[in-house]
Amino acid sequence: DAGITQSPRYKITETGRQVTLMCHQTWSHSYMFWYRQDLGHGLRLIYYSAAADITDKGEVPDGYVVSRSKTENFPLTLESATRSQTSVYFCATYRGGTDTQYFGPGTRLTVL
Amino acid sequence: AQSVTQLGSHVSVSEGALVLLRCNYSSSVPPYLFWYVQYPNQGLQLLLKYTTGATLVKGINGFEAEFKKSETSFHLTKPSAHMSDAAEYFCAVSGGNDYKLSFGAGTTVTVRA
Repeated sequence: DAGITQSPRYKITETGRQVTLMCHQTWSHSYMFWYRQDLGHGLRLIYYSAAADITDKGEVPDGYVVSRSKTENFPLTLESATRSQTSVYFCATYRGGTDTQYFGPGTRLTVL
Repeated sequence: AQSVTQLGSHVSVSEGALVLLRCNYSSSVPPYLFWYVQYPNQGLQLLLKYTTGATLVKGINGFEAEFKKSETSFHLTKPSAHMSDAAEYFCAVSGGNDYKLSFGAGTTVTVRA
């Protein structure tokens, strides 16, 4: 039971490049979330999705794009990476009836 | 809207001593409150949660937290710290039906032998 997988786990890229972070779940949970973790800020919500083809902005959406064509996948794209997007990115799903979000292992992204 | 303030970014305790991590929240609706733990280079793991009912909530690894509405607090405690408790701890709040979490900045716990 893999749960949530994120790929890649580590990524180094350059300013201006496009980067896509992948998130895959094996549970078929309806809700999925993307957070970024930065020192002193905890985790901040970037985007979330209530179901396939339904997405909405979170607290810090600027510079990011998401899509969700299938329930199990929720990719996050940085269209033109900036140094300020250097962070650790976590994907999460919400399991209905438990009031609980479950988190993936994270992707550490460095933008040079 | 919901928000969380964690008091103290670093806490150092001796092995066997009480662990107390403070969390205060703000919410315009009845809150759901959570404590997550993050070990180095790992994702977040749920320690415990309060949604409704009993205000003293017990979680994994001997942790517990008490919801105090009058104080808008949800402090996390463990009577006796173990070396394995060294980690970062996050308090989070949601407004219930919207499922979105707002996190505090986190508290790093170190345990001294």
